[in-house]
Amino acid sequence: QKEVEQNSGPLSVPEGAIASLNCTYSDRGSQSFFWYRQYSGKSPELIMSIYSNGDKEDGRFTAQLNKASQYVSLLIRDSQPSDSATYLCAVKSNSGYALNFGKGTSLLVTP
Amino acid sequence: GAGVSQSPRYKVAKRGQDVALRCDPISGHVSLFWYQQALGQGPEFLTYFQNEAQLDKSGLPSDRFFAERPEGSVSTLKIQRTQQEDSAVYLCASSSPQRGGTDTQYFGPGTRLTVL
Repeated sequence: QKEVEQNSGPLSVPEGAIASLNCTYSDRGSQSFFWYRQYSGKSPELIMSIYSNGDKEDGRFTAQLNKASQYVSLLIRDSQPSDSATYLCAVKSNSGYALNFGKGTSLLVTP
Repeated sequence: GAGVSQSPRYKVAKRGQDVALRCDPISGHVSLFWYQQALGQGPEFLTYFQNEAQLDKSGLPSDRFFAERPEGSVSTLKIQRTQQEDSAVYLCASSSPQRGGTDTQYFGPGTRLTVL
């Protein structure tokens, strides 16, 4: 079973703070990594994708990948109440087609 | 259309009924995926199509589940003799294959199925 693990939370951060979301995966053949945001009752929406070791920044979001440690994270700077949602980590191996999702981390940004 | 569309958005079925869920992918997207998302869980893969070919159906939970994409565009997920454990949100996603597996999957709004 190829597993993707996330802390389910809830993770609570004050408005303006940095939120740090973490994800580990078991399949060393994984090549593509994605962070999706899902508001309650809505479908997953892509936030970031990352394919190489290191950091990738897009606005207030930074994705970090460490393939040796099988670890991927998402940092949200200057968190806003509108960032409150469930964040899903998804991993795709080179040998497969599907995304393997974690259970998601619930983030609450308090005003 | 601009995004992936799914219908119906909500479906209530009595146990034992058959249901059909429809997905309209983004125009030109070759790849189409079906996922099942139970409450409080991440989406779980059901099946994958490349054009009209069903290349992977390893995630279908039983032979009551059947999916098709006969003309390589619209897809239908059919569940026969529904059971209460089939209650979930069924998500469809589409993508355009890229080298190195870097294609991004875009999700539709989902169909919430409730089996009574």
